[in-house]
Amino acid sequence: KAGVTQTPRYLIKTRGQQVTLSCSPISGHRSVSWYQQTPGQGLQFLFEYFSETQRNKGNFPGRFSGRQFSNSRSEMNVSTLELGDSALYLCASSLLGGTSYEQYFGPGTRLTVT
Amino acid sequence: LAKTTQPISMDSYEGQEVNITCSHNNIATNDYITWYQQFPSQGPRFIIQGYKTKVTNEVASLFIPADRKSSTLSLPRVSLSDTAVYYCLVGDRRGSGSARQLTFGSGTQLTVLP
Repeated sequence: KAGVTQTPRYLIKTRGQQVTLSCSPISGHRSVSWYQQTPGQGLQFLFEYFSETQRNKGNFPGRFSGRQFSNSRSEMNVSTLELGDSALYLCASSLLGGTSYEQYFGPGTRLTVT
Repeated sequence: LAKTTQPISMDSYEGQEVNITCSHNNIATNDYITWYQQFPSQGPRFIIQGYKTKVTNEVASLFIPADRKSSTLSLPRVSLSDTAVYYCLVGDRRGSGSARQLTFGSGTQLTVLP
């Protein structure tokens, strides 16, 4: 069974621009979560989608948004990029999500904002 | 928000048992406690999950006391390949409703020495 895939793997953007990251979950998984990982803040939860609906949300500004499609694929969008948005963005999928956090992570997208 | 606390680093020798503890004072009542392993340049990998008492699988054991305010990941007979960062993940109580903030611990860098 194919794992979680994320595209692109690396991205360089300029301050003020926007970016869209894509995540394809494991086949059959309906929950997709997004995380930001930085050396200073560690792994921080952005949001979780389940059946095309945002179910949980972390403490990030509204510049960070996401969506999930009917095939469970998910996208994350960051508008008006700031230097501090430079990070590894990880996507994780799970069968049902909810209170069971057995998630399978993708390799991540390394975003650099200059 | 839930505050999870883990030791920053631990050293061990090959063949020894390693115990890593995570404190999570504000865990949601019906949420699981999950542990992940992360190698450099990879997404976290699921190790084990539990709700209470003790859970064991082929790679680790998880001990959870009755109050669920902490958990201990136990790795038996570690090898050099177990050198990685280990994270605990819990759901945070957030008033009424089902919305949850997922909180990763800050991670414990385990270094296994020959």
